[in-house]
Amino acid sequence: EAGVAQSPRYKIIEKRQSVAFWCNPISGHATLYWYQQILGQGPKLLIQFQNNGVVDDSQLPKDRFSAERLKGVDSTLKIQPAKLEDSAVYLCASSFGTTGELFFGEGSRLTVL
Amino acid sequence: DQQVKQNSPSLSVQEGRISILNCDYTNSMFDYFLWYKKYPAEGPTFLISISSIKDKNEDGRFTVFLNKSAKHLSLHIVPSQPGDSAVYFCAASAKTGRRALTFGSGTRLQVQP
Repeated sequence: EAGVAQSPRYKIIEKRQSVAFWCNPISGHATLYWYQQILGQGPKLLIQFQNNGVVDDSQLPKDRFSAERLKGVDSTLKIQPAKLEDSAVYLCASSFGTTGELFFGEGSRLTVL
Repeated sequence: DQQVKQNSPSLSVQEGRISILNCDYTNSMFDYFLWYKKYPAEGPTFLISISSIKDKNEDGRFTVFLNKSAKHLSLHIVPSQPGDSAVYFCAASAKTGRRALTFGSGTRLQVQP
């Protein structure tokens, strides 16, 4: 069974530029999550999708971050414009339902200079 | 407000000895707890979980203990092996709402040969 796929693995941009990350969850998983992990901290939820609907985006900085999950499968997370404090690893995860174990991708490491 | 706390940033043990990783939580609505292991440049991988209706769950060398009255859980690894060296995250989900996982800040375990 293929795992959660994410790209790109690494991205370096300058502040005020934009960046987009892509995630393809495990086949059949209805729930998709984007987490932000800043160095030395645990992952923090940014947004949760159930199929193609948003379940929770309360911690998403909506002035600069946006996410979509068209057709209820893959998802993109965009940051525009980026700030220095956005430097982090962006982790995508999926689960079959809304409870239980989450399966994580390898993450996309963003460095904002 | 950190709802899941891992107060020990790091732990070092000798190979063959027991490793005990601790986690405290503040949200009384949490009813499902998980431990994830993370190697460098990889996403977190699920290790073991426990429901709030239990106080112990065992899987091979890994045992998780839950003390609901103290809002405390611990992960025991016996015997510890060098391959167990990683960052361990405690996570919890609540019985209401979105049920996405809330993570602690992690404990880096180093198992010395």
